[in-house]
Amino acid sequence: GDSVTQMEGPVTLSEEAFLTINCTYTATGYPSLFWYVQYPGEGLQLLLKATKADDKGSNKGFEATYRKETTSFHLEKGSVQVSDSAVYFCALRGRGSTLGRLYFGRGTQLTVWP
Amino acid sequence: DAGITQSPRHKVTETGTPVTLRCHQTENHRYMYWYRQDPGHGLRLIHYSYGVKDTDKGEVSDGYSVSRSKTEDFLLTLESATSSQTSVYFCAISENGLAGGPGEQYFGPGTRLTVT
Repeated sequence: GDSVTQMEGPVTLSEEAFLTINCTYTATGYPSLFWYVQYPGEGLQLLLKATKADDKGSNKGFEATYRKETTSFHLEKGSVQVSDSAVYFCALRGRGSTLGRLYFGRGTQLTVWP
Repeated sequence: DAGITQSPRHKVTETGTPVTLRCHQTENHRYMYWYRQDPGHGLRLIHYSYGVKDTDKGEVSDGYSVSRSKTEDFLLTLESATSSQTSVYFCAISENGLAGGPGEQYFGPGTRLTVT
């Protein structure tokens, strides 16, 4: 079945460091891929998405590229800030999903120190 | 921000009692979802709805029921709460996508439920 495997955390970085959070997926066909972010005490917010191979999603300095050949959608940011501290979730939605069901990874806690 | 509210935001209840959580939207979206979030599991789908009175089970539906009598409200009921249902519950809504099916999901602020 469809599933997402996400890099285990927690990840601790200094401000301005480079961030990579790995995400790989298993799915039939070509799913849509998402990164969500959850700030403390809040719900999930869509950070970026990609709907087909080689698409690059980007938002707020974060980027992720849909790599069909490696079934990956790694999240990157060139220079993190303290305000990026949050939990990040990778998710997929099956191409044939008529009801929009999302499959989530377990989440990666990111802490950025000044 | 999508107009999604959840109530209550926090609840403590005893084992064996019934509990109902409410999700309310002001967006008139067709699709609504209930997830639970637990450490080490990410979010897991409990139930979802694709219209008034149209609901179906997700991957962790045992011990939960849902109802949707109006477009704007999606209720999650724990008929007899157990300690294993201590969790954070999130509601999500989805607009119609380009092909008529669901589009992106937007999440509510969550309800923290503790069953003692």
